[in-house]
Amino acid sequence: LAKTTQPISMDSYEGQEVNITCSHNNIATNDYITWYQQFPSQGPRFIIQGYKTKVTNEVASLFIPADRKSSTLSLPRVSLSDTAVYYCLVGDRGSTLGRLYFGRGTQLTVWP
Amino acid sequence: EADIYQTPRYLVIGTGKKITLECSQTMGHDKMYWYQQDPGMELHLIHYSYGVNSTEKGDLSSESTVSRIRTEHFPLTLESARPSHTSQYLCASSEIAGKGSNEQFFGPGTRLTVL
Repeated sequence: LAKTTQPISMDSYEGQEVNITCSHNNIATNDYITWYQQFPSQGPRFIIQGYKTKVTNEVASLFIPADRKSSTLSLPRVSLSDTAVYYCLVGDRGSTLGRLYFGRGTQLTVWP
Repeated sequence: EADIYQTPRYLVIGTGKKITLECSQTMGHDKMYWYQQDPGMELHLIHYSYGVNSTEKGDLSSESTVSRIRTEHFPLTLESARPSHTSQYLCASSEIAGKGSNEQFFGPGTRLTVL
């Protein structure tokens, strides 16, 4: 399972844009990049997934450069409720295994 | 909202007791997973299942066992609970491989405390 590296923690203020970068130097050709969000005492929740270039949904954007060795999750205009742990994972979505490696994630704290 | 349920949400039990943590999903997912997570730490995969009658051990060694007799049900059992088993246990499920997503749906978790 490919592993990822991301900052342990980040701080931001309400209304700012937050960018969390993740390194995945050993990403395989068939791997997709997926981000999850976890609030205290809850299970992780899927945010966004992409393979290359840019993906956007109603919650976030995901930027992936051409070499795919890193990715950046962008959260526009964060609020206090965005305080959570964010996990970056890589995995082959076509795999029968369907296993993902959750690292320690990035603790994002949003201040008023 | 994902339709995956875990019971109990909280459990405090004495050493040596046998316990079963329940996990059920109504999405018809073939794949199901059990993770263990200590506060502020990463999730560790302890068991997974590809489908009925299929179970495998995960990356983290665990003294627990699982069964998958029905698609929707994936219980985890500890034959003799110990204080070292104190942790949060998260159950998840996902669709059949090749459906085009790494999305796993997580239950709310069971917080287990063994005294």
